[in-house]
Amino acid sequence: SQQGEEDPQALSIQEGENATMNCSYKTSINNLQWYRQNSGRGLVHLILIRSNEREKHSGRLRVTLDTSKKSSSLLITASRAADTASYFCATDASGNQFYFGTGTSLTVIP
Amino acid sequence: DAGVIQSPRHEVTEMGQEVTLRCKPISGHDYLFWYRQTMMRGLELLIYFNNNVPIDDSGMPEDRFSAKMPNASFSTLKIQPSEPRDSAVYFCASSLALVGVEQYFGPGTRLTVT
Repeated sequence: SQQGEEDPQALSIQEGENATMNCSYKTSINNLQWYRQNSGRGLVHLILIRSNEREKHSGRLRVTLDTSKKSSSLLITASRAADTASYFCATDASGNQFYFGTGTSLTVIP
Repeated sequence: DAGVIQSPRHEVTEMGQEVTLRCKPISGHDYLFWYRQTMMRGLELLIYFNNNVPIDDSGMPEDRFSAKMPNASFSTLKIQPSEPRDSAVYFCASSLALVGVEQYFGPGTRLTVT
């Protein structure tokens, strides 16, 4: 079964606005990753955050991890039309393979 | 490296036919994963290999599905006989380790079984 569940399922914003999507999971994890999937393409890794980290940045991306709440958030600042895609979180725990969530579909309107 | 390569990109077949999907992982990656993606079930892990050896095939839906990795640079996923409910996008991914590192995905094979 999948560990992560993204929220919201779909998000539509205007170009230039910030987009925030959340991921909740059920059991303790070692690492959490975020991936992007453009329509008709494979998933592309965005960022990895370890369980002992609370926040990580990469360009316009900011990821937070709250292990006490078993949740993570992905913030995309100053969104662009090219950010339109589905975003997935993936979690792994203690040597097991990781599981992908159900994804958030982001639409950025030019 | 060209990344993970999958073929064919699209496959349309009739129910009952055999389907073979192919994958070439990134050179040097010890792990290879096969996923299936549908609207209803999302992204499901079917099977993964470590150093060409199948480690966990618990995600393979039925005996109609089989996967092989005869060498470090090639893997196949076979469905025989195919059914309409097998219609999905099948992804292959590879990585340096099982967890804690990113997986590199291929472009996927869109399978339609009529």
